[in-house]
Formats: sequence, C-alpha cells, structure tokens
Amino acid sequence: QSALTQPPSVSGSPGQSVTISCTGTSSDVGSYDRVSWYQQPPGTAPKLMIYDVGNRPSGVPDRFSGSKSGNTASLTISGLQTEDEADYYCSSYTNSPSYVFGTGTKVTVL
Amino acid sequence: QVQLQESGPGLVKPSGTLSLTCVVSGASVTNNNWWSWVRQPPGKGLEWIAEIHHTGATNYNPSLRSRVTISVDQSKNQFSLNLNSVTAADTALYYCVRHWGYAFDVWGQGTMVTVSP
Repeated sequence: QSALTQPPSVSGSPGQSVTISCTGTSSDVGSYDRVSWYQQPPGTAPKLMIYDVGNRPSGVPDRFSGSKSGNTASLTISGLQTEDEADYYCSSYTNSPSYVFGTGTKVTVL
Repeated sequence: QVQLQESGPGLVKPSGTLSLTCVVSGASVTNNNWWSWVRQPPGKGLEWIAEIHHTGATNYNPSLRSRVTISVDQSKNQFSLNLNSVTAADTALYYCVRHWGYAFDVWGQGTMVTVSP
C-alpha cells in the first residue's frame, strides 16, 4: 500500500491559519471516515490531534480542525502558535484491512 | 493513566529476527481495544506494521505480512512483535500503540532497533 500524500512543508506567521492536505484513494480515505491526525515535535512520540475526520480528543485546542472531501482529508490550524511547530501525519483505515500513514508535513511558524 | 513500554535488543544482525515486547500498564490488554506496532526510520515518516486484539484477531501491513508476527500474552499484560529476515531497511524507532476506535491514542516512547552486522 502506498503512503497517503501530504505536502512536505507549510508555514505561517503567528495568528494565521494553515491547512495540510492528505490525499489517498478510494481504498482508504475515500471509503472510510476513519482519518486521524498526529502531531510530532522533534524527538517525541506522535500525539493524537484529530480522530474520525473531524473530532478532537479531550485536551486538544479547538484551533485544530479536520475535514474530508472525496479522497482528500485536511487539517487546519487556526490562530497558529509557536508551540504548533512540529511534524504532522495523517492516517487512514484501509480496505485491506490495515492502516496507512501520510508522508508527513513539517509546520513552521515564521 | 495508560502507559506502554517497549523493550528488546537494540541491535539485530541482517537476516536475523527482530523481537520486541510492549508492556501495558494502567489498562488491561483484554479491554476492548486493538493494539498495534508502528515504526519510524531515522528522519522518515511513520509506517503501520500490525495490530492485534486480545481475542487473537490480527491484521498486518500487506507489504510486511510475510515477515511479521504479532502476538498477545494476557497473563503478562503485554503484546509482542517478531519481524524476520531483517535488512538495513528495517532500522527504525519502533513504537507500540493503543487504538482508540480507528485512531492511535496512547504511544510508547519508542525503542530504536538497528540492523547491522
């Protein structure tokens, strides 16, 4: 199975919004509302930020939101803060059945 | 709170078998959760390897299925990973993870495994 496609990097100034795309196929993102997003600062384990496309676990700021259209899911960070600087990965359930991660996106706060 | 702790050899020889164990604390592996292994080569992205339920049900990454076995030991509240015929491409930080529905909500700190003669 091929990794989901994410842009290598996105950047924004504090207070701005950035959106990360995650493109899959009809075998994964397009068929299931089982997309999740993870934040990974350098040297740390990933942290769950969004599950089932657009739901936030307890404790995750509402600045983080998720959506999906067709084979592409998106993570939006509104009101960007310096502590949001990290790598972000999407993940989707697939019809294998299995899971597949995205290629990862580095978010830089200018 | 739930904590996961990976353990295993940090160095494995090429063509050998990588064996890792994940001890679960603060929860039981017999809860209605699935448990997975995920790996991350140095400087690269995440790759899902396999998942197991306490009933013994398993699913594997199609690209690794022929080399991977995942198992659970309810008596020790732990689950394990075996990956055989390893090469340098299997060098990675290996995480054990708890599922929350179809997401991964609790991660271990990871254990680095290097494949080298």
